[in-house]
Amino acid sequence: KAGVTQTPRYLIKTRGQQVTLSCSPISGHRSVSWYQQTPGQGLQFLFEYFSETQRNKGNFPGRFSGRQFSNSRSEMNVSTLELGDSALYLCASSSGWDRRIQNTEAFFGQGTRLTVV
Amino acid sequence: DQQVKQNSPSLSVQEGRISILNCDYTNSMFDYFLWYKKYPAEGPTFLISISSIKDKNEDGRFTVFLNKSAKHLSLHIVPSQPGDSAVYFCAASLRLYSGAGSYQLTFGKGTKLSVIP
Repeated sequence: KAGVTQTPRYLIKTRGQQVTLSCSPISGHRSVSWYQQTPGQGLQFLFEYFSETQRNKGNFPGRFSGRQFSNSRSEMNVSTLELGDSALYLCASSSGWDRRIQNTEAFFGQGTRLTVV
Repeated sequence: DQQVKQNSPSLSVQEGRISILNCDYTNSMFDYFLWYKKYPAEGPTFLISISSIKDKNEDGRFTVFLNKSAKHLSLHIVPSQPGDSAVYFCAASLRLYSGAGSYQLTFGKGTKLSVIP
């Protein structure tokens, strides 16, 4: 069973540009979440999509957006890039919580390292 | 306001001994807890989880203990091996919807474990 795939692995952009990152979840998983990891703030939740709907959003500005397609693949977009957006962006997929299943885990991709110069 | 705290940024342990990583949380609504292991430039790898209805979960060398009254959980690794050297993240989940629910993880800032041969 293939894992979570994120593309690209590395990206360098200049301030003011926009960027789109892609995530393909584990087959059968319908929930995709995005996280930002920085040395100072650790791992912070960006947003979560389930069946093409954003159900939950973290405390990030509107420059950060995302979407999910019918095949559960997800993209996140950051517009008007700032130096502080340099981070490792991680995507996690999950089958979603189910009352019948006591344990559900989120599985992470390897991340996209974004550097803004 | 940090809802999940890992107060020890680093821990060094001799090979073969026990490693104990600690985590405290403040939100009593968290109902599922997970530990992840992370190497540099990679995504977190799921290790072990525990539901709030349990106080202990064991998987091989890894055991997680949950003390709900103290809002504290710990990860025990016995025996510790050099390959265990990594950053360990504690995460807590808050189920927001019934059924196939939203999956948002709140992470601690991590503890870097070094296992000395």
